[in-house]
Amino acid sequence: AQSVAQPEDQVNVAEGNPLTVKCTYSVSGNPYLFWYVQYPNRGLQFLLKYITGDNLVKGSYGFEAEFNKSQTSFHLKKPSALVSDSALYFCAVRDSRYSSASKIIFGSGTRLSIRP
Amino acid sequence: DVKVTQSSRYLVKRTGEKVFLECVQDMDHENMFWYRQDPGLGLRLIYFSYDVKMKEKGDIPEGYSVSREKKERFSLILESASTNQTSMYLCASRGTGTGVEAFFGQGTRLTVV
Repeated sequence: AQSVAQPEDQVNVAEGNPLTVKCTYSVSGNPYLFWYVQYPNRGLQFLLKYITGDNLVKGSYGFEAEFNKSQTSFHLKKPSALVSDSALYFCAVRDSRYSSASKIIFGSGTRLSIRP
Repeated sequence: DVKVTQSSRYLVKRTGEKVFLECVQDMDHENMFWYRQDPGLGLRLIYFSYDVKMKEKGDIPEGYSVSREKKERFSLILESASTNQTSMYLCASRGTGTGVEAFFGQGTRLTVV
């Protein structure tokens, strides 16, 4: 069965420092991986995705993520954090074996807090 | 831009009431989803639909049903609301294609008293 884990409930970073939000996954086929962000009392916004190709994926708001097949990880990164990056971040995975109608599985979320 | 609109931001309902949560998308997407979000549990899939009148159970369908009579609209129904259904409900839609992302509505925070 496919699954995704976000091992940290909360990540605290000082503004201007690099940040990493961790995600590991488990699927049987090749993974399709996604990162979403949720601001307070809002729905989820798409940040970036990995389908195939280059292991480093660039997305919105200066975020990027690195796909590592051997470690089954897809960590979200940003070189220099902003206070406005403070939000709840979700990693998600879909198994490529299934049709396009199949479901996407989400992690439990990581709250990112950037202090000024 | 894709727009997914949920009919209510906040709802307060009484135990035992039948509750309807409505979701409309404007991008002609085949796939639509209902999730509930609870602290520490992430997003859990309740039901999804891959075509008009077609539906499949997600991970936590108990106490819920859905309706998709038109392609753009996907309704979540709580047959008899209970306090343990107090939660944030999120609707999403996604087009066909194996790697496409989902687009989410703004969420409905439902409180059952």
